[in-house]
Amino acid sequence: GAGVSQSPRYKVAKRGQDVALRCDPISGHVSLFWYQQALGQGPEFLTYFQNEAQLDKSGLPSDRFFAERPEGSVSTLKIQRTQQEDSAVYLCASSLKTGYEQYFGPGTRLTVT
Amino acid sequence: QKEVEQNSGPLSVPEGAIASLNCTYSDRGSQSFFWYRQYSGKSPELIMFIYSNGDKEDGRFTAQLNKASQYVSLLIRDSQPSDSATYLCAVNSAGKSTFGDGTTLTVKP
Repeated sequence: GAGVSQSPRYKVAKRGQDVALRCDPISGHVSLFWYQQALGQGPEFLTYFQNEAQLDKSGLPSDRFFAERPEGSVSTLKIQRTQQEDSAVYLCASSLKTGYEQYFGPGTRLTVT
Repeated sequence: QKEVEQNSGPLSVPEGAIASLNCTYSDRGSQSFFWYRQYSGKSPELIMFIYSNGDKEDGRFTAQLNKASQYVSLLIRDSQPSDSATYLCAVNSAGKSTFGDGTTLTVKP
């Protein structure tokens, strides 16, 4: 079946612009996760959803970051007023249930210039 | 101190050898444990998951979990050059997964 998809795959934004990153999880997966990965490091947790409920957003680095999953399927991670330090790969993952194995999408590489 | 610790490597083994990758974690409430493989420029790919103490085998891969020692490992038997990648350990507690920074493995022909 189809895996997790993310769009766009690459995004270049000028400092101060807003960006929106989309994640389509595996059909039927209840849990959805967002991670940020810097070069040479493991994925850093940002937030996760169980269906449409955002259960943990403790990893969001600032109030410029906002995530939603209004219908319990597709999710969007929005970054307002992008800064250079936001440049990273943003990974989305989904799992059948919370605590189960997660399957990752291809990621969105964000470059802020 | 990071919540999930891995030796960064690089770990180099000859083709056909056993590669041993280790991971320690700090949260005693952790319930599920995962190993992912990540090739350069790609996203993490699930290799193994383990929930209970002991060993779990899948093909050339064996995951070992010791909750008392807060330690999880991955053994790769008959290592192949295609196994050369970064291996990420992930620990899940209360729904949230924490990743180590990975161990880079190189398998030399």
